[in-house]
Amino acid sequence: GQNIDQPTEMTATEGAIVQINCTYQTSGFNGLFWYQQHAGEAPTFLSYNVLDGLEEKGRFSSFLSRSKGYSYLLLKELQMKDSASYLCAVSSGGNTGKLIFGQGTTLQVKP
Amino acid sequence: GAGVSQTPSNKVTEKGKYVELRCDPISGHTALYWYRQSLGQGPEFLIYFQGTGAADDSGLPNDRFFAVRPEGSVSTLKIQRTERGDSAVYLCASSLLRGNTGELFFGEGSRLTVL
Repeated sequence: GQNIDQPTEMTATEGAIVQINCTYQTSGFNGLFWYQQHAGEAPTFLSYNVLDGLEEKGRFSSFLSRSKGYSYLLLKELQMKDSASYLCAVSSGGNTGKLIFGQGTTLQVKP
Repeated sequence: GAGVSQTPSNKVTEKGKYVELRCDPISGHTALYWYRQSLGQGPEFLIYFQGTGAADDSGLPNDRFFAVRPEGSVSTLKIQRTERGDSAVYLCASSLLRGNTGELFFGEGSRLTVL
């Protein structure tokens, strides 16, 4: 079966660093994605990992360990606008590009 | 338009009625996906089109749900005999499928409420 787990909610302080974890068990693996979704809006792409290691993009970084079925999204220098839901998603195989999403982690950034 | 367009943005209907939700993907994107998202949950896969054909419809919950993409561009998701449990935001996404990255570009969604 397919299973993607991430914490339901997290709270952090403006200017701080927060790490959102994601573990997955899927029948195949073609890459792991992180998407950001503000309330009432469409999900937007943040990052993609297919090989083990850290991918850095500005204030956001994403890490993948395929052997452990584990990823995290690291957000640095938090801003109030980072308050959103963060969705971990796995491309489970083939060339469809179909993504299986976790339930999302709602991050609240406080002043 | 520049992005994925979905209409209507909101639809309220009565139990048992038929609804159609439309998706206009980004021009040139051959892959199109429908997802359903309930409050507090991640998007749930429904169906994937590559061109005109449904390459994967394994996520459709039952035979009341059907989707078409007759000319390989615009897609319509059709729900017959709606039930209260069908209430959700229906998201459409498209992709170029460059390499195998599968990055999806989502529309704003159609919020369906079944009374």
